[in-house]
Amino acid sequence: AQSVTQPDIHITVSEGASLELRCNYSYGATPYLFWYVQSPGQGLQLLLKYFSGDTLVQGIKGFEAEFKRSQSSFNLRKPSVHWSDAAEYFCAVLNTGNQFYFGTGTSLTVIP
Amino acid sequence: NAGVTQTPKFRVLKTGQSMTLLCAQDMNHEYMYWYRQDPGMGLRLIHYSVGEGTTAKGEVPDGYNVSRLKKQNFLLGLESAAPSQTSVYFCASSGPFEKLFFGSGTQLSVL
Repeated sequence: AQSVTQPDIHITVSEGASLELRCNYSYGATPYLFWYVQSPGQGLQLLLKYFSGDTLVQGIKGFEAEFKRSQSSFNLRKPSVHWSDAAEYFCAVLNTGNQFYFGTGTSLTVIP
Repeated sequence: NAGVTQTPKFRVLKTGQSMTLLCAQDMNHEYMYWYRQDPGMGLRLIHYSVGEGTTAKGEVPDGYNVSRLKKQNFLLGLESAAPSQTSVYFCASSGPFEKLFFGSGTQLSVL
């Protein structure tokens, strides 16, 4: 069975500060991993994905994520947060049956 | 290009009533999904389909039924609504090992 854990329910950062959102997965095979962002009242938008190859993947809006197999992690990072990054962030794993399983999300607040 | 379209956007039901949520995609995707989103629970997979005429149970299928009679449509039914089914419902579609495309969501309240 597959699962995704996002240990941080809520994070607050100052604008311009760096950000790291944690994601741990449980999956027996090589994982396909995703980060999505959801702004209030909106659907989910893909930030980035990892399928194979380079373990550091770049996404939209200046986000990146690093896949660490030894730690079963896929943490999302951004060097300098903007006020518009305030949203909810979801990590997801895709299994070989093409089913996506999501974590419970991390809500990000950005303070001026 | 419309992408994934869900109807209705909002609905209020009384306990015991039935309803159907409609999802349509115009991207010729094989895979379609229904999720529910609840505070602190993330998105949980209700049912999914790997192609026309197929359906399968996800994480939280109880109380819901689905049908995929046409490739572009995926219907989610509630036969006898319960307050525990108050949620935001998202339909999504994808190609094989590709990203999900989401609809804009349906806010359902069951009184």
